[in-house]
Amino acid sequence: QVQLQESGPGLVKPSETLSLTCTFSGGSISRYYWSWIRQSPGKGLEWIGYVSYSGTTKYNPSFKSRVTMSIDTSKKEFSLKLRSVTAADTAVYYCARDDRETYEFLDWGQGTLVTVSS
Amino acid sequence: DIQMTQSPSSLSASVGDRVTITCRASQSISSHLNWYQQRPGKAPKILIYGASSLQSGVPSRFSGGGSGTDFTLTIGSLQPEDFATYYCQQSFSAPPTFGPGTTVDVK
Repeated sequence: QVQLQESGPGLVKPSETLSLTCTFSGGSISRYYWSWIRQSPGKGLEWIGYVSYSGTTKYNPSFKSRVTMSIDTSKKEFSLKLRSVTAADTAVYYCARDDRETYEFLDWGQGTLVTVSS
Repeated sequence: DIQMTQSPSSLSASVGDRVTITCRASQSISSHLNWYQQRPGKAPKILIYGASSLQSGVPSRFSGGGSGTDFTLTIGSLQPEDFATYYCQQSFSAPPTFGPGTTVDVK
């Protein structure tokens, strides 16, 4: 049973960097593609990008200049950094598993609310 | 990016009703269409992938159809746990994009 759990600060100041980690349990992290997806009332569900088991990344062009994703297979965790945040980045952030780079999101974390505010 | 639309944006139904939700893509996506269910305060859960394949563990009252640009999600006989919001998502090309959602609530 795959389980994902997001963690990180729930409050980030404008212009700073949002940093989240997703911890994986219930299998091998070294097989899949690991995405970050966010959900806000204004923009709905948005795919931010993925990091693969080998460290390959692919980002949504809408975020490309501000985002970095990485993976630590030994710790069974992967991370998201989103720079220069504004209030528009306030959202629930989810990590999700994609089996074969098919963009079919088979498992999701419970989500974590990140609020951007001073 | 491929734009996804859904109709209706919300609908009211009763337990036992047959419910159909429509999703349309801004260009052909073949059968690369997935459906998710999201209950309040929870993460989305995949129901259907590849337009019509039922994800393991999902009840058979859920079915999907369509190809190209027009797709449907049908709930054969609505159950109490099915009152939720449903999203379509295209997996044809990056970035994957989601529809705005259809909320099914109690009539």
